[in-house]
Amino acid sequence: GAVVSQHPSRVICKSGTSVKIECRSLDFQATTMFWYRQFPKKSLMLMATSNEGSKATYEQGVEKDKFLINHASLTLSTLTVTSAHPEDSSFYICSARGGLAGDGQFFGPGTRLTVL
Amino acid sequence: QKEVEQDPGPLSVPEGAIVSLNCTYSNSAFQYFMWYRQYSRKGPELLMYTYSSGNKEDGRFTAQVDKSSKYISLFIRDSQPSDSATYLCAMRRNSGNTPLVFGKGTRLSVIA
Repeated sequence: GAVVSQHPSRVICKSGTSVKIECRSLDFQATTMFWYRQFPKKSLMLMATSNEGSKATYEQGVEKDKFLINHASLTLSTLTVTSAHPEDSSFYICSARGGLAGDGQFFGPGTRLTVL
Repeated sequence: QKEVEQDPGPLSVPEGAIVSLNCTYSNSAFQYFMWYRQYSRKGPELLMYTYSSGNKEDGRFTAQVDKSSKYISLFIRDSQPSDSATYLCAMRRNSGNTPLVFGKGTRLSVIA
């Protein structure tokens, strides 16, 4: 299947700092990328949908100024958590769809963010 | 009623058993149906992907979609301890950038 990578896999930061998470589709061009958040033993919560070259569409309740999403190319999307606080600690997972991956949707391995 | 219903389990079976996982849904516009496996602290892995109704088989896994009943299933034959994970069903409407709608996931334990 298609491969999606995420970096970093784990990050610990101080409250008030910003953290950037990268998501890359390694063997296909992702016309659409999705960002999810997952709490322990809970299902995935969609945060936003982004198409290459356009502004992301955020789900209700997700602060767009806090969670900045950039989808600058067909293989790269970034999520920046600005002025992170302890309540932002979570597991963030990106997902990609499109191109040679067909209609399947493929997930990255996730990034565990801990804000102290 | 939630759009996608999935029994969270946990489901515990002996090694070698046939596992049946199911989801029901309410939106008749769903056309794409997927099953993901998620291990703890990992991203979901796409196992099976089906368009519209019918069956699909891949190794020990069989996915079934019954659109008339709004019911999808995943069968795992000869289950192994390594199959122990959370299984998520997901579905969406037509192509393009429509987001997936997920079930809550079923936690499966296969006991050796």
